Amino acid sequence: SAVISQKPSRDICQRGTSLTIQCQVDSQVTMMFWYRQQPGQSLTLIATANQGSEATYESGFVIDKFPISRPNLTFSTLTVSNMSPEDSSIYLCSALAGDTQYFGPGTRLTVL
Amino acid sequence: TQLLEQSPQFLSIQEGENLTVYCNSSSVFSSLQWYRQEPGEGPVLLVTVVTGGEVKKLKRLTFQFGDARKDSSLHITAAQPGDTGLYLCAGLTSGTYKYIFGTGTRLKVLA
Repeated sequence: SAVISQKPSRDICQRGTSLTIQCQVDSQVTMMFWYRQQPGQSLTLIATANQGSEATYESGFVIDKFPISRPNLTFSTLTVSNMSPEDSSIYLCSALAGDTQYFGPGTRLTVL
Repeated sequence: TQLLEQSPQFLSIQEGENLTVYCNSSSVFSSLQWYRQEPGEGPVLLVTVVTGGEVKKLKRLTFQFGDARKDSSLHITAAQPGDTGLYLCAGLTSGTYKYIFGTGTRLKVLA
């Protein structure tokens, strides 16, 4: 299994600023992912965080807006850059351990 | 674009009732998972089904994977208030590690 923590748990930010979200896994995992979720709705995959190389982004998401780091097998960060109110959402980190995907508790972001 | 449509979108029932949630797609998945998510938390895996036609039971929850591996259902018997939450199905495409999540079903069980 894998236990995932995220920091911060929530934040309120001003338009035009950037926020970096941290994701820590308690064991080494090969695959880590970042998702976005509007409250009460489903999850949309932003990107796969690749260790030692650039993240793989899904359609509609770009590196300039959502830069991702993955310096080792237990840690990743997602930055939400130049934020606008449309970026208000819950951002979730997940890790694949075996055939099971484990999720962090999410970061609730509000952009004013 | 792969889509997983869940129905119903919302469901409010009385304690003790039975319910079924459906997850449908036009795409074939190598496996399908069901998650439950409570407010302020990440989704928690309930079950993974891999074989077409497979049925798995988890206490009062019964999961079925369609024969063609394009659809799935979750049946809850004698629902309890603790079953309240957002239920999500997620399909894994063969050859990838990416899960496509369904549109979600929000269940509320009233005491």
